[in-house]
Amino acid sequence: AQSVSQHNHHVILSEAASLELGCNYSYGGTVNLFWYVQYPGQHLQLLLKYFSGDPLVKGIKGFEAEFIKSKFSFNLRKPSVQWSDTAEYFCAVNDGTSYDKVIFGPGTSLSVIP
Amino acid sequence: DAGVIQSPRHEVTEMGQEVTLRCKPISGHNSLFWYRQTMMRGLELLIYFNNNVPIDDSGMPEDRFSAKMPNASFSTLKIQPSEPRDSAVYFCASSPNTGEASNQPQHFGDGTRLSIL
Repeated sequence: AQSVSQHNHHVILSEAASLELGCNYSYGGTVNLFWYVQYPGQHLQLLLKYFSGDPLVKGIKGFEAEFIKSKFSFNLRKPSVQWSDTAEYFCAVNDGTSYDKVIFGPGTSLSVIP
Repeated sequence: DAGVIQSPRHEVTEMGQEVTLRCKPISGHNSLFWYRQTMMRGLELLIYFNNNVPIDDSGMPEDRFSAKMPNASFSTLKIQPSEPRDSAVYFCASSPNTGEASNQPQHFGDGTRLSIL
């Protein structure tokens, strides 16, 4: 069965620090990859997605992610975080074949200290 | 675009009572998902529909849970009887996927915060 793992459960950073959140998935075929963000008390929103083409994808609010097929990874990055980036971040994978079912990772909680 | 609409936003009820959560997907979206989110278990997919047909209900925890989608614009998740361990935030999401290989993201509602006393 497919699975998605995220390297860190909780990350604490100071403002202006660089961010990298790790994500690995288990499926070996064609995949569609997503990062979602959930701000405190809100619903999940899409940050960015990858399904083909340039493996470096840019999303909203200065986030980007790099798909490395050989490593089954899709790490999220931001060069300089802000306090407003404090949120829960979820990596998600759809294997591109079985309808629209998406497997979500366990999430990484990011706290940015002013 | 009104987004995915869920009701109620909050529900507090006593154990043993029936709970019904409602969801209106985005118009034109033909896939609908029900998730449960807790601190302990994270985000769990309970069931999803494509064109009003349940495709995968393997995430439904037990027979006390049931979900229906009588038409393209409405779905319900019912818990009967409810138990304190059912307390969680329940999210509904929809997407415009066709039921085949897809790359469209899901759009989430604001969730229903359910507390069973």
